[in-house]
Amino acid sequence: NAGVTQTPKFRVLKTGQSMTLLCAQDMNHEYMYWYRQDPGMGLRLIHYSVGEGTTAKGEVPDGYNVSRLKKQNFLLGLESAAPSQTSVYFCASSDRGVELDTQYFGPGTRLTVL
Amino acid sequence: DQQVKQNSPSLSVQEGRISILNCDYTNSMFDYFLWYKKYPAEGPTFLISISSIKDKNEDGRFTVFLNKSAKHLSLHIVPSQPGDSAVYFCAASDPGAQKLVFGQGTRLTINP
Repeated sequence: NAGVTQTPKFRVLKTGQSMTLLCAQDMNHEYMYWYRQDPGMGLRLIHYSVGEGTTAKGEVPDGYNVSRLKKQNFLLGLESAAPSQTSVYFCASSDRGVELDTQYFGPGTRLTVL
Repeated sequence: DQQVKQNSPSLSVQEGRISILNCDYTNSMFDYFLWYKKYPAEGPTFLISISSIKDKNEDGRFTVFLNKSAKHLSLHIVPSQPGDSAVYFCAASDPGAQKLVFGQGTRLTINP
């Protein structure tokens, strides 16, 4: 099993450009999450999904959109990138939610917006 | 408003001694707490968790203590080893929530 994979690993964008980050998991997990990690801020939840076809907002959803068309994939989109979105992005998945199962994280995507 | 706080950005401990990482929370509805460990260029990995019905949970060298009245939890690592050098995040969840709230992280360095 590959676990949770993220594509790409690194990306540099110019302000106003768009991109999509892909998260894939091969553990048949129901729940998937997108976080961003910034110095001194910890991990902040952007959006999450509790099943195929469903999405919900987290703490910091502005400027991002997500889609969960297939159970194994969770896409994070930036329509018009801003320097404030420079961050490391982590995807995670879990089988049965917070108290019943741990979250498994991907290796991260380092995004720089110039 | 930060609901989960780790007030020490960094901690340095001698190998073989005890490492104590602290975490405070403000939301009294939180009833499940976790610690994650993160190495550079990797995603966080689950370390240990505790439910609010307990005040202690042990797993090998790792023990988590929960003080509900003080809204405080701590992670003890005994004895500390060089491989424990990493960033540690505490996280919390309230009943029925399908998501976690993370603290800012504490960078632990174990010195030989």
